[in-house]
Amino acid sequence: QLLLQEPGPRLVKPSETLSLTCTVSDSSIIISNYYWGWIRQTPGKGLQFIANIQDGGSTFHNPSLKSRVTISVDTSKKQFSLSLTSVTASDAAVYYCARFIMRSVVISQIDPWGQGIQVTVSS
Amino acid sequence: QSALTQPAYVSGSPGQSITISCSGTISDIGYYNYVSWFQQYPGKAPKLIIYDVFNRPSGVSNRFSGSKSGNTASLTVSGLQAEDEADYFCSSYSSRSLYVFGSGTRVTVL
Repeated sequence: QLLLQEPGPRLVKPSETLSLTCTVSDSSIIISNYYWGWIRQTPGKGLQFIANIQDGGSTFHNPSLKSRVTISVDTSKKQFSLSLTSVTASDAAVYYCARFIMRSVVISQIDPWGQGIQVTVSS
Repeated sequence: QSALTQPAYVSGSPGQSITISCSGTISDIGYYNYVSWFQQYPGKAPKLIIYDVFNRPSGVSNRFSGSKSGNTASLTVSGLQAEDEADYFCSSYSSRSLYVFGSGTRVTVL
């Protein structure tokens, strides 16, 4: 069973950069049919797609976050990472990593999801 | 604010069927057949239960079914069981925002 693992809760100061990494439990990170990415969830705004990436480097970004987001993949470590710059209180959320199946440029499936990381933004 | 609108609460008795609606626009649900549904228990990650409007991933109960009409997608849970008590979210490809989620529906089994 594929597992996606993220480290524990994170505390980030306002204006700083949030960096998160997700580890894939098997070698499917190199399968070109799969993309790997991030989704966040807050009680107020609900679920929000952030970005995803394929092992070859192809990416898709949420237009509203694109200017602050960098997503990368390291297949040798079976990991992919998210960097979100200039964080504010509105970036506080549970961040999930997940596997995506794309149909051309469209997200068809998001499965499975990691267990989630609680990110707090506070000075 | 979520782009797709769902009822906040739906309830039903064991054995009954319930339907959760997910209302969008011509820019998402109305034009594309890429609607998904997720089940989420408190404190847990969402789990995919329907994709591409009506397809079920392997291992998902056939009591869950999806459909679409116009700008509205629907999830039906048949033979409601106590274990179905959870939050349910819809999602869709969007030509405006790439990918959007629904506001979520809390299902209560009476």
